[in-house]
Amino acid sequence: QVQLQESGPGLVKPSETLSLTCSVSGDSISSYHWAWIRQPPGKGLEWIGNLYYTGNTKYNPSLKSRVTTSVDPSKNQFSLRLSSVTAADTAVYYCARLFTYYDSSGYISDWGQGALVTVSS
Amino acid sequence: DIQMTQSPSSLSASVGDRVTITCRASQSIRNCLNWYQQKPGKAPKLLIYAASSLQSGVPSRFSGSASGTDFTLTISSLQREDFATYYCQQSYSNPETFGQGTKVEIK
Repeated sequence: QVQLQESGPGLVKPSETLSLTCSVSGDSISSYHWAWIRQPPGKGLEWIGNLYYTGNTKYNPSLKSRVTTSVDPSKNQFSLRLSSVTAADTAVYYCARLFTYYDSSGYISDWGQGALVTVSS
Repeated sequence: DIQMTQSPSSLSASVGDRVTITCRASQSIRNCLNWYQQKPGKAPKLLIYAASSLQSGVPSRFSGSASGTDFTLTISSLQREDFATYYCQQSYSNPETFGQGTKVEIK
């Protein structure tokens, strides 16, 4: 059973860069696809992007200019960086495992517990 | 962007009731529609993928169906542990988008 755990600062100042790492246990990160999703407090879910084991990525166009992702197979981790953050980026950030069933379309089978990141000075 | 409109936004139901939640896509998404359940303070949990495939380990009282751009999640006999918020998600087009959620409450 795969387990995912987000880690990173819980408080980020406006205009700075949010950085989160997802540690994966129970399976090899190189064999699967991965995703980031966020949820502002009391609101719905917003898809951030997908990382495919081919090395390809797909990002939400509304965030694409600010998002960077990476995978570290040696540590079985993948990461998210979101630059120039504002209060609107305050959310619970989830890392997740993605399975595809049609081209690059798929579903999220496993989720981390989530990490609350607050953007505030 | 493809808009996913969920209805109702909330509902009250009793244990044993049949519950239906609908998600309408603003354009064709084939069958690239997933359903998730989320309880307060917890990560979402996958229930249904590809419109009608039941995720392993999910009770059979949950089912999904599709008709054109309309998708339905049905709970055949609501159990106490089913009180939660339900989200649909389309993964056909970038950006992948979620419905706004349906909160199922105890009557």
